[in-house]
Amino acid sequence: DAGVIQSPRHEVTEMGQEVTLRCKPISGHNSLFWYRQTMMRGLELLIYFNNNVPIDDSGMPEDRFSAKMPNASFSTLKIQPSEPRDSAVYFCASSAGGGNYGYTFGSGTRLTVV
Amino acid sequence: AQSVTQPDIHITVSEGASLELRCNYSYGATPYLFWYVQSPGQGLQLLLKYFSGDTLVQGIKGFEAEFKRSQSSFNLRKPSVHWSDAAEYFCAVGASNTDKLIFGTGTRLQVFP
Repeated sequence: DAGVIQSPRHEVTEMGQEVTLRCKPISGHNSLFWYRQTMMRGLELLIYFNNNVPIDDSGMPEDRFSAKMPNASFSTLKIQPSEPRDSAVYFCASSAGGGNYGYTFGSGTRLTVV
Repeated sequence: AQSVTQPDIHITVSEGASLELRCNYSYGATPYLFWYVQSPGQGLQLLLKYFSGDTLVQGIKGFEAEFKRSQSSFNLRKPSVHWSDAAEYFCAVGASNTDKLIFGTGTRLQVFP
């Protein structure tokens, strides 16, 4: 099993540009989570999906952020337009479902907006 | 509401010394408890988890944790720390009726030779 795969690993973009982060969860996992990690705020849950349906997006900071999960093997997190304060490491995690399974995290995407 | 507290932001130990990282949780029912480790530039890796049964659970890399219901704690321990254990450690709590895990703010471990 290749684990949770995120791309790209690093992204540098200019303010105002659109950024798309990608995630492939572990096959068979039915829950997918997007987190953002910064020094100031720590680990923040942005949104999570269950069976491809968004369940809780209360952590999405503002309308510039959107996430989709068109099928069980792919999800995207889009920021449009990007701002310097969006600079962070974005993690995707997947789970077999239920609070007792825990998550498997990807290696993250380090986003820098200049 | 569920919550997790990791009282120690930063801990420094000497290589070979014992280690205990504290975690306190707040949850009405029996929680599911987890410890994750994050090495620099990496994602979070699961160290161990507790669901039920034996309150002392063993994990990877020689770590163990003990669930103490009376103290609402799930402290992580290791008898002898190695320099490679330097990382950030996160405690998390979950439940059977939700997919969400609540993470603590993390404890950064520094190991001196």
